[in-house]
Amino acid sequence: ETGVTQTPRHLVMGMTNKKSLKCEQHLGHNAMYWYKQSAKKPLELMFVYNFKEQTENNSVPSRFSPECPNSSHLFLHLHTLQPEDSALYLCASSQGQGTGYEQYFGPGTRLTVT
Amino acid sequence: TQLLEQSPQFLSIQEGENLTVYCNSSSVFSSLQWYRQEPGEGPVLLVTVVTGGEVKKLKRLTFQFGDARKDSSLHITAAQPGDTGLYLCAGEEGNTPLVFGKGTRLSVIA
Repeated sequence: ETGVTQTPRHLVMGMTNKKSLKCEQHLGHNAMYWYKQSAKKPLELMFVYNFKEQTENNSVPSRFSPECPNSSHLFLHLHTLQPEDSALYLCASSQGQGTGYEQYFGPGTRLTVT
Repeated sequence: TQLLEQSPQFLSIQEGENLTVYCNSSSVFSSLQWYRQEPGEGPVLLVTVVTGGEVKKLKRLTFQFGDARKDSSLHITAAQPGDTGLYLCAGEEGNTPLVFGKGTRLSVIA
């Protein structure tokens, strides 16, 4: 238990569906992250929020839309995904953004796009 | 683009054996982190090394940062089934985001 929870843990969706992934951190951190973990690829950073403001968008397609209503919650809204978007989506949080801040990861949402 | 290469990709060993996994780059990093990820879970930070040549020990795990801060190794002594998992290294330089390697998947057989 790292203090970062993600729901749902598993999601199967069709290419025309709209769904959302939720992340909540109970650590009082100010920065939150979305990562994509695919087989045979390094962990890829998607988005970073610091004090609810987006500070990184790593050239992510617009079919992925993040939302950070407050420092404890982070959402990833999904629409018209492609099969190659199937992956483990990990959320992480840290006290601050930048060198020296440890990131705490949630357990991930395993997404399958059919 | 900074890249981290981890080797070997897969490793299967018997309980009690020793092993070393590597993390290499052509880039210099200000710090390097090692994580372990178990099935169904997110990565958990094991250690951060920041000084060239630094050695850190965590029970049976020994981490070393290369003198030039471009590479690192993780040595496990007398591996146990509980060591099974995906070992990830990640490098940090300045305020750029963490760069991760693909990982080494370790299986320790009882």
